[in-house]
Amino acid sequence: KAGVTQTPRYLIKTRGQQVTLSCSPISGHRSVSWYQQTPGQGLQFLFEYFSETQRNKGNFPGRFSGRQFSNSRSEMNVSTLELGDSALYLCASSLFGGENTEAFFGQGTRLTVV
Amino acid sequence: GQSLEQPSEVTAVEGAIVQINCTYQTSGFYGLSWYQQHDGGAPTFLSYNGLDGLEETGRFSSFLSRSDSYGYLLLQELQMKDSASYFCAVGAGSYQLTFGKGTKLSVIP
Repeated sequence: KAGVTQTPRYLIKTRGQQVTLSCSPISGHRSVSWYQQTPGQGLQFLFEYFSETQRNKGNFPGRFSGRQFSNSRSEMNVSTLELGDSALYLCASSLFGGENTEAFFGQGTRLTVV
Repeated sequence: GQSLEQPSEVTAVEGAIVQINCTYQTSGFYGLSWYQQHDGGAPTFLSYNGLDGLEETGRFSSFLSRSDSYGYLLLQELQMKDSASYFCAVGAGSYQLTFGKGTKLSVIP
């Protein structure tokens, strides 16, 4: 079966712009989580969605937002981009989002803010 | 809050055994997971420990001691392809995984 698909793979934006990243989970998976990965901080949790509801949000400013659609696809948006937002953004899907289940990660979107 | 500590780098010889330790401090604990990530690749799930003890999956084993807030990943018969970053992650009941900063494993001939 197809894995988790993230688009685009690479993105270059200018400070102050906004960006939308997309994640298509594995078919049948209803939970989608987003993580930011940087060399200094590792993987940091952004938010988790299940059946279009955000169940948890990490410690990120309000410029970071997301949503999930009825087909479980998810998008995250970052507004007013800052240089520090440059990172690899990873999406992970699982059946129900429990922490005792395997999360399947996409290849990520590499965002560079200049 | 949650915090996890793991070594930043480990080097081991092909064919040898290596252990990557992870200690954690969390408010709430459901279990400890391990993920592997090759450079430029996506993290992939290796194992999960919800109860104390050893879980074995082929050449990889993972151990958990809840009383010590400690776990480790054991890789046996190391191969060059095992060169990657390894992350421990804790689930604490809030639909999120908190990851350690990763251990970069270099396997040398």
